[in-house]
Amino acid sequence: DIQMTQSPSSLSASVGDRVTITCRASQSISTYLSWYQQRPGKAPNLLIYATSTLQSGAPSRFSGSGSGTDFTLTISSLQPEDFATYFCQQTYTTPTFGPGTKVDIK
Amino acid sequence: EVQLVESGGGLVQPGGSLRLSCAASGFTFSSYWMHWVRQAPGKGLVWVSRINSDGSTTNYADSVKGRFTISRDNAKDTLFLQMNSLRAEDTAVFYCARGVNIAATGTVGYWGQGTLVTVSS
Repeated sequence: DIQMTQSPSSLSASVGDRVTITCRASQSISTYLSWYQQRPGKAPNLLIYATSTLQSGAPSRFSGSGSGTDFTLTISSLQPEDFATYFCQQTYTTPTFGPGTKVDIK
Repeated sequence: EVQLVESGGGLVQPGGSLRLSCAASGFTFSSYWMHWVRQAPGKGLVWVSRINSDGSTTNYADSVKGRFTISRDNAKDTLFLQMNSLRAEDTAVFYCARGVNIAATGTVGYWGQGTLVTVSS
């Protein structure tokens, strides 16, 4: 199975900050990478798939980039509703998720 | 509106069985790959299983292979997960989920609210 890692595991930021989360795959996954947001007590919500395609309804402040083994999710200007946990997922083979990055208020 | 409603969770003893169901509505169920994803309390997401649109192809995470079986009834717009030989480490909220589009085999675009499975004596 392809293993996914994320860094950092958690971060503290302020409203308006630019935030970057990194995801790394244990082998090349081309651009088969998705990002999800999960707020406490809620089901996850798809933000980005195919590395950089914004899901319908996801705010444009979210963007994704990368290829091969290294990927990033960027939030251009953090909003109050963005405080949540973010998971990456590879879909190159049978899917696997990263361990998550928790974004909380500084 | 896409809706996915899971049922069948509950408390079961180690070694026991449960069958989860997911009732789908608001889309052409028979056109989409469907998935089960679980989340242990306070932990991350773990992909469990998927099934293609006509039920002819299934895949499983290594941790459940041989114990869990995914299936679907396209006439009733329902997804199932038969779970046997349950272990304490299977305790989790189980989410039913749909591919983001008809071509998507892995990316999940829609999620149910989840059903809690607790394995304990």
